[in-house]
Amino acid sequence: IAGITQAPTSQILAAGRRMTLRCTQDMRHNAMYWYRQDLGLGLRLIHYSNTAGTTGKGEVPDGYSVSRANTDDFPLTLASAVPSQTSVYFCASSDAGLPQYFGPGTRLTVL
Amino acid sequence: GENVEQHPSTLSVQEGDSAVIKCTYSDSASNYFPWYKQELGKRPQLIIDIRSNVGEKKDQRIAVTLNKTAKHFSLHITETQPEDSAVYFCAASKGGNMLTFGGGTRLMVKP
Repeated sequence: IAGITQAPTSQILAAGRRMTLRCTQDMRHNAMYWYRQDLGLGLRLIHYSNTAGTTGKGEVPDGYSVSRANTDDFPLTLASAVPSQTSVYFCASSDAGLPQYFGPGTRLTVL
Repeated sequence: GENVEQHPSTLSVQEGDSAVIKCTYSDSASNYFPWYKQELGKRPQLIIDIRSNVGEKKDQRIAVTLNKTAKHFSLHITETQPEDSAVYFCAASKGGNMLTFGGGTRLMVKP
Protein backbone atom coordinates (compact mmCIF):
# COMPACT_ATOMS: atom_id res chain seq x y z
CA ILE A 1 0.00 0.00 0.00
CA ALA A 2 1.70 3.18 -1.18
CA GLY A 3 0.12 5.13 1.70
CA ILE A 4 2.62 3.91 4.30
CA THR A 5 6.35 4.45 4.01
CA GLN A 6 9.16 3.28 6.26
CA ALA A 7 12.79 4.33 6.48
CA PRO A 8 15.40 3.07 6.31
CA THR A 9 14.79 -0.04 4.19
CA SER A 10 17.59 -1.81 6.01
CA GLN A 11 20.21 -0.96 8.59
CA ILE A 12 23.18 -2.60 10.25
CA LEU A 13 23.76 -1.22 13.72
CA ALA A 14 26.38 -1.73 16.39
CA ALA A 15 25.10 -2.89 19.76
CA GLY A 16 24.60 -0.02 22.18
CA ARG A 17 23.78 2.51 19.48
CA ARG A 18 20.56 4.48 19.35
CA MET A 19 18.32 4.05 16.32
CA THR A 20 15.04 5.53 15.18
CA LEU A 21 12.90 3.79 12.60
CA ARG A 22 10.58 6.11 10.75
CA CYS A 23 7.01 5.49 9.63
CA THR A 24 4.76 7.89 7.78
CA GLN A 25 1.25 7.39 6.41
CA ASP A 26 -0.79 9.73 4.26
CA MET A 27 -4.17 8.03 4.64
CA ARG A 28 -5.14 10.05 7.71
CA HIS A 29 -5.58 6.86 9.68
CA ASN A 30 -6.11 7.42 13.39
CA ALA A 31 -4.30 4.33 14.60
CA MET A 32 -0.71 3.23 13.96
CA TYR A 33 1.29 0.21 15.09
CA TRP A 34 4.77 -1.24 15.22
CA TYR A 35 5.39 -4.97 14.87
CA ARG A 36 8.50 -7.08 14.75
CA GLN A 37 8.77 -10.26 12.71
CA ASP A 38 11.49 -12.73 13.52
CA LEU A 39 12.56 -15.53 11.20
CA GLY A 40 10.01 -18.31 11.24
CA LEU A 41 7.69 -16.45 13.58
CA GLY A 42 4.59 -14.37 13.25
CA LEU A 43 4.22 -10.69 13.90
CA ARG A 44 4.37 -9.41 17.45
CA LEU A 45 3.03 -6.02 18.47
CA ILE A 46 5.59 -3.69 20.05
CA HIS A 47 3.67 -0.44 20.56
CA TYR A 48 0.56 1.16 19.17
CA SER A 49 -1.15 4.54 19.04
CA ASN A 50 -4.91 4.93 18.78
CA THR A 51 -4.70 8.63 17.98
CA ALA A 52 -2.18 11.44 17.88
CA GLY A 53 -0.87 12.18 21.35
CA THR A 54 -1.52 8.71 22.80
CA THR A 55 0.52 5.52 22.79
CA GLY A 56 0.21 2.06 24.31
CA LYS A 57 2.34 -1.01 24.94
CA GLY A 58 1.93 -4.16 22.94
CA GLU A 59 3.19 -7.68 23.53
CA VAL A 60 6.94 -6.96 23.37
CA PRO A 61 7.56 -3.28 24.34
CA ASP A 62 10.81 -3.61 26.34
CA GLY A 63 13.74 -1.78 24.79
CA TYR A 64 11.55 0.29 22.48
CA SER A 65 9.84 3.66 22.73
CA VAL A 66 7.43 5.51 20.45
CA SER A 67 5.89 8.95 20.08
CA ARG A 68 2.91 10.23 18.13
CA ALA A 69 3.20 13.98 17.74
CA ASN A 70 0.86 14.10 14.74
CA THR A 71 -1.46 11.87 12.74
CA ASP A 72 1.02 10.98 9.99
CA ASP A 73 4.20 9.97 11.80
CA PHE A 74 4.95 7.21 14.30
CA PRO A 75 8.70 6.76 14.93
CA LEU A 76 10.08 3.78 16.83
CA THR A 77 13.25 4.31 18.86
CA LEU A 78 15.72 1.76 20.16
CA ALA A 79 17.58 3.63 22.89
CA SER A 80 20.45 1.14 23.15
CA ALA A 81 20.25 -1.61 20.56
CA VAL A 82 20.96 -5.25 21.47
CA PRO A 83 21.47 -8.24 19.15
CA SER A 84 18.10 -9.71 20.14
CA GLN A 85 16.48 -6.73 18.45
CA THR A 86 17.67 -8.00 15.09
CA SER A 87 14.42 -8.40 13.18
CA VAL A 88 12.20 -7.07 10.43
CA TYR A 89 10.09 -4.19 11.68
CA PHE A 90 6.72 -3.41 10.16
CA CYS A 91 4.67 -0.31 10.71
CA ALA A 92 0.93 -0.47 10.11
CA SER A 93 -2.03 1.87 10.22
CA SER A 94 -5.79 1.60 10.32
CA ASP A 95 -8.86 3.77 10.34
CA ALA A 96 -11.36 3.34 13.17
CA GLY A 97 -9.33 0.39 14.49
CA LEU A 98 -9.54 -2.15 11.65
CA PRO A 99 -8.34 -3.42 9.21
CA GLN A 100 -4.63 -2.78 9.41
CA TYR A 101 -2.43 -2.05 6.40
CA PHE A 102 1.30 -2.59 6.55
CA GLY A 103 4.31 -0.64 5.39
CA PRO A 104 7.17 -2.24 3.43
CA GLY A 105 9.27 -3.00 6.49
CA THR A 106 12.75 -2.21 7.83
CA ARG A 107 15.31 -4.98 8.13
CA LEU A 108 17.48 -4.26 11.17
CA THR A 109 20.62 -6.14 12.10
CA VAL A 110 22.28 -5.43 15.45
CA LEU A 111 25.85 -6.70 15.75
CA GLY B 1 -4.15 -12.05 26.84
CA GLU B 2 -5.25 -13.51 23.54
CA ASN B 3 -3.48 -16.55 22.14
CA VAL B 4 -3.85 -17.60 18.50
CA GLU B 5 -2.65 -20.96 17.26
CA GLN B 6 -2.37 -21.73 13.56
CA HIS B 7 -2.11 -25.08 11.78
CA PRO B 8 -0.49 -26.48 9.80
CA SER B 9 2.84 -24.68 9.79
CA THR B 10 3.51 -25.89 6.24
CA LEU B 11 1.11 -27.08 3.58
CA SER B 12 1.91 -28.45 0.15
CA VAL B 13 -0.82 -28.94 -2.46
CA GLN B 14 -1.04 -29.63 -6.15
CA GLU B 15 -2.18 -26.83 -8.41
CA GLY B 16 -5.95 -26.89 -8.68
CA ASP B 17 -6.46 -28.54 -5.30
CA SER B 18 -7.98 -26.80 -2.28
CA ALA B 19 -6.04 -25.62 0.75
CA VAL B 20 -7.38 -25.16 4.27
CA ILE B 21 -5.61 -23.36 7.11
CA LYS B 22 -7.07 -23.42 10.62
CA CYS B 23 -6.70 -21.09 13.58
CA THR B 24 -7.95 -21.25 17.13
CA TYR B 25 -8.18 -18.36 19.56
CA SER B 26 -8.48 -18.23 23.32
CA ASP B 27 -10.39 -15.03 24.12
CA SER B 28 -14.13 -15.45 23.59
CA ALA B 29 -14.44 -11.64 23.42
CA SER B 30 -12.48 -11.54 20.15
CA ASN B 31 -14.72 -10.33 17.35
CA TYR B 32 -12.53 -9.56 14.33
CA PHE B 33 -10.46 -12.10 12.40
CA PRO B 34 -8.31 -11.01 9.44
CA TRP B 35 -6.11 -13.12 7.19
CA TYR B 36 -2.88 -11.83 5.68
CA LYS B 37 -0.74 -13.15 2.84
CA GLN B 38 2.98 -12.48 2.89
CA GLU B 39 5.21 -13.22 -0.08
CA LEU B 40 8.93 -13.62 0.46
CA GLY B 41 10.55 -10.31 1.37
CA LYS B 42 7.28 -8.41 1.14
CA ARG B 43 4.85 -6.85 3.57
CA PRO B 44 1.80 -8.74 4.89
CA GLN B 45 -1.27 -7.95 2.79
CA LEU B 46 -4.85 -8.31 3.95
CA ILE B 47 -6.71 -10.84 1.81
CA ILE B 48 -9.96 -11.31 3.70
CA ASP B 49 -11.45 -10.66 7.11
CA ILE B 50 -14.54 -11.66 9.05
CA ARG B 51 -16.38 -10.25 12.02
CA SER B 52 -18.06 -12.27 14.72
CA ASN B 53 -21.59 -11.51 13.54
CA VAL B 54 -20.93 -13.46 10.32
CA GLY B 55 -20.28 -17.19 9.98
CA GLU B 56 -18.77 -17.22 6.50
CA LYS B 57 -17.40 -14.79 3.96
CA LYS B 58 -16.27 -15.41 0.39
CA ASP B 59 -14.21 -13.48 -2.11
CA GLN B 60 -13.70 -15.31 -5.39
CA ARG B 61 -11.46 -18.33 -4.61
CA ILE B 62 -10.99 -17.39 -0.96
CA ALA B 63 -13.40 -18.01 1.90
CA VAL B 64 -13.21 -17.74 5.65
CA THR B 65 -15.44 -19.56 8.13
CA LEU B 66 -15.88 -18.77 11.81
CA ASN B 67 -17.13 -21.00 14.61
CA LYS B 68 -17.55 -18.79 17.65
CA THR B 69 -18.63 -21.61 19.91
CA ALA B 70 -15.51 -23.60 19.21
CA LYS B 71 -13.36 -20.48 18.91
CA HIS B 72 -11.83 -21.38 15.61
CA PHE B 73 -11.77 -19.94 12.12
CA SER B 74 -10.43 -21.25 8.84
CA LEU B 75 -9.17 -19.99 5.50
CA HIS B 76 -10.20 -21.94 2.42
CA ILE B 77 -8.50 -21.43 -0.93
CA THR B 78 -10.02 -23.27 -3.89
CA GLU B 79 -8.47 -24.00 -7.28
CA THR B 80 -5.02 -23.12 -5.98
CA GLN B 81 -2.51 -21.54 -8.34
CA PRO B 82 1.28 -21.24 -8.08
CA GLU B 83 0.90 -17.54 -7.24
CA ASP B 84 -0.98 -18.54 -4.10
CA SER B 85 2.34 -19.80 -2.71
CA ALA B 86 3.19 -17.59 0.30
CA VAL B 87 3.01 -17.48 4.08
CA TYR B 88 -0.49 -16.92 5.43
CA PHE B 89 -1.19 -15.42 8.85
CA CYS B 90 -4.42 -15.40 10.80
CA ALA B 91 -5.08 -12.88 13.55
CA ALA B 92 -7.68 -12.05 16.16
CA SER B 93 -8.79 -8.88 17.90
CA LYS B 94 -11.55 -7.95 20.33
CA GLY B 95 -12.61 -4.71 18.80
CA GLY B 96 -9.64 -2.63 19.75
CA ASN B 97 -6.37 -2.27 17.93
CA MET B 98 -4.53 -5.20 19.44
CA LEU B 99 -4.19 -7.81 16.72
CA THR B 100 -2.71 -11.09 17.92
CA PHE B 101 -1.23 -13.13 15.08
CA GLY B 102 -0.89 -16.85 14.59
CA GLY B 103 2.50 -18.34 13.80
CA GLY B 104 1.90 -18.54 10.04
CA THR B 105 1.43 -21.28 7.42
CA ARG B 106 3.78 -21.68 4.52
CA LEU B 107 1.67 -22.74 1.55
CA MET B 108 3.40 -24.28 -1.44
CA VAL B 109 1.39 -24.88 -4.60
CA LYS B 110 3.12 -27.31 -6.94
CA PRO B 111 2.47 -26.86 -10.66
